[in-house]
Amino acid sequence: TQLLEQSPQFLSIQEGENLTVYCNSSSVFSSLQWYRQEPGEGPVLLVTVVTGGEVKKLKRLTFQFGDARKDSSLHITAAQPGDTGLYLCADNSGTYKYIFGTGTRLKVLA
Amino acid sequence: NAGVTQTPKFQVLKTGQSMTLQCAQDMNHNSMYWYRQDPGMGLRLIYYSASEGTTDKGEVPNGYNVSRLNKREFSLRLESAAPSQTSVYFCASSLAASISGANVLTFGAGSRLTVL
Repeated sequence: TQLLEQSPQFLSIQEGENLTVYCNSSSVFSSLQWYRQEPGEGPVLLVTVVTGGEVKKLKRLTFQFGDARKDSSLHITAAQPGDTGLYLCADNSGTYKYIFGTGTRLKVLA
Repeated sequence: NAGVTQTPKFQVLKTGQSMTLQCAQDMNHNSMYWYRQDPGMGLRLIYYSASEGTTDKGEVPNGYNVSRLNKREFSLRLESAAPSQTSVYFCASSLAASISGANVLTFGAGSRLTVL
């Protein structure tokens, strides 16, 4: 069974700081998705990465997929309070069963 | 533009009681899923339905049953609730079951269930 480990588990930073969170898999990703979940809501897709070494940018968010396709990182530049939430990585290994990581809970203080 | 709608939003049960969580999507998606979310454990798949008329077990199916009533609706039933089933439950849907850049899980807002 594929396991997705995310780190750190919790992160509290000041507005304007930069941060990076990580997602590591026990096996090769089929493709990787990052979701963000705000309190009281369901997760919402941020990005899908498919190719090893791929880098995608979404405004202040930069997503990188490892060359070996077993790890990924999410970097946020100049964090804002609106970035607060639970960040989840997910893979379905080409099947119906999406597997989610344990999540990184981010709090950005104004 | 409702997306995925779950009911109820909150529920308190006593051990041994039964209940059904309802989920409906209006996006003409083929696949639907039920997840539970517990602190420190991310989202775990309970059951999924790849298409209308089919259902299959996920990681943690014990104590649950599901029904894919039609293409829009996918319900989750707890026949005899236990305190270990206290959790937040999320329903999700996707256009297709196989992963691709275009395939996205759309989630409902969640149902918070407490079993005393």
